Amino acid sequence: AQSVTQLDSHVSVSEGTPVLLRCNYSSSYSPSLFWYVQHPNKGLQLLLKYTSAATLVKGINGFEAEFKKSETSFHLTKPSAHMSDAAEYFCVVSASGSARQLTFGSGTQLTVLP
Amino acid sequence: KAGVTQTPRYLIKTRGQQVTLSCSPISGHRSVSWYQQTPGQGLQFLFEYFSETQRNKGNFPGRFSGRQFSNSRSEMNVSTLELGDSALYLCASSLDRAQLNSPLHFGNGTRLTVT
Repeated sequence: AQSVTQLDSHVSVSEGTPVLLRCNYSSSYSPSLFWYVQHPNKGLQLLLKYTSAATLVKGINGFEAEFKKSETSFHLTKPSAHMSDAAEYFCVVSASGSARQLTFGSGTQLTVLP
Repeated sequence: KAGVTQTPRYLIKTRGQQVTLSCSPISGHRSVSWYQQTPGQGLQFLFEYFSETQRNKGNFPGRFSGRQFSNSRSEMNVSTLELGDSALYLCASSLDRAQLNSPLHFGNGTRLTVT
């Protein structure tokens, strides 16, 4: 069984300040972890993925995430928020094995204030 | 390279009707998955197709079905529509399901409203 918990349903930051979106996971297998972003009325776009290589993963648009096995966490960060970062972010876990079924977190709505 | 294309973008149907949604994956992608997104339940996995065969199915009633064609295009069908089926239906494709770490590429979705 696998699950994902996004600890904040809403995060609000000022433009130019750091972003932290928190995600904890649970998986019976060695997980692959992803962060996706969804802008209004759009599909999901992959930001970054962790697949048991480097624990610090760099993604697009300046985002990065660190896999911490001891804390079962995969938090998403960005040093400086931009107005265009305002969107909903999903943490996703995919268990190793034959299934391609992904489990999505409930999402974190990021608001960026001018 | 064109992305995942879903048609139509918007649909309005009446309770009891049926509906068919279409998804064209990225060229060369052979795995297609479907997800339902609602405000209350979030994103939920419907099913996955690969090589014209359903490989995995989520916890949805039998009214939800799908298929995949030889060109990897996929359709999903919902019969006897209920109000609770109103949702954004997202299709995602990936290169090869054997590559478990290959990420999914999502379309923009079909917004289904059931009245």
